[in-house]
Amino acid sequence: GAGVSQSPSNKVTEKGKDVELRCDPISGHTALYWYRQSLGQGLEFLIYFQGNSAPDKSGLPSDRFSAERTGGSVSTLTIQRTQQEDSAVYLCASSLRGARGYTEAFFGQGTRLTVV
Amino acid sequence: GQQVMQIPQYQHVQEGEDFTTYCNSSTTLSNIQWYKQRPGGHPVFLIQLVKSGEVKKQKRLTFQFGEAKKNSSLHITATQTTDVGTYFCAGPYGGSQGNLIFGKGTKLSVKP
Repeated sequence: GAGVSQSPSNKVTEKGKDVELRCDPISGHTALYWYRQSLGQGLEFLIYFQGNSAPDKSGLPSDRFSAERTGGSVSTLTIQRTQQEDSAVYLCASSLRGARGYTEAFFGQGTRLTVV
Repeated sequence: GQQVMQIPQYQHVQEGEDFTTYCNSSTTLSNIQWYKQRPGGHPVFLIQLVKSGEVKKQKRLTFQFGEAKKNSSLHITATQTTDVGTYFCAGPYGGSQGNLIFGKGTKLSVKP
């Protein structure tokens, strides 16, 4: 695709349910980032994938959160046993190389998650 | 914790006034990037600064990278209503390739 694609665009789930959020990065981009943005707030880093290296999971807020990236392309962010405080917009971005590689990040439109 | 500090958090200006947002890093950066997020939208890349003391201009926007490569600023001259949005700085941290960590952003509102 021409850009970063995220699905679904909106997700409403009941507290305690599991959710999966999908990100299709730009083809050929080795770096993929997940961020969380609560209403009116900044971009909270969650997890970073770079090529075949072990992902940087230092931003995941709890063990309910996990992510994987299959075949160096599509990524899935999973939130287990969702809580109301998980409600936010989840943004995915990709770049040709990591941030030290002097390449810009391209963002998807995000998934708005609402936990009721 | 947050490694990129950005101030101010909010800025309200009258159309035609100037606007500046500042970004400070706890460590020296190899490069710094700036993004703009319009209300309801996603962040969009504006520019990247690489060299110590670098200054780049995009029409009414002027970007600077400090001599020590630990701070940066974005200055908008004569703001317009189209400048409304949140401006973020971001830099590489951790790992060999570098994760991209964002400041908390400065939300700009412009009164016509």
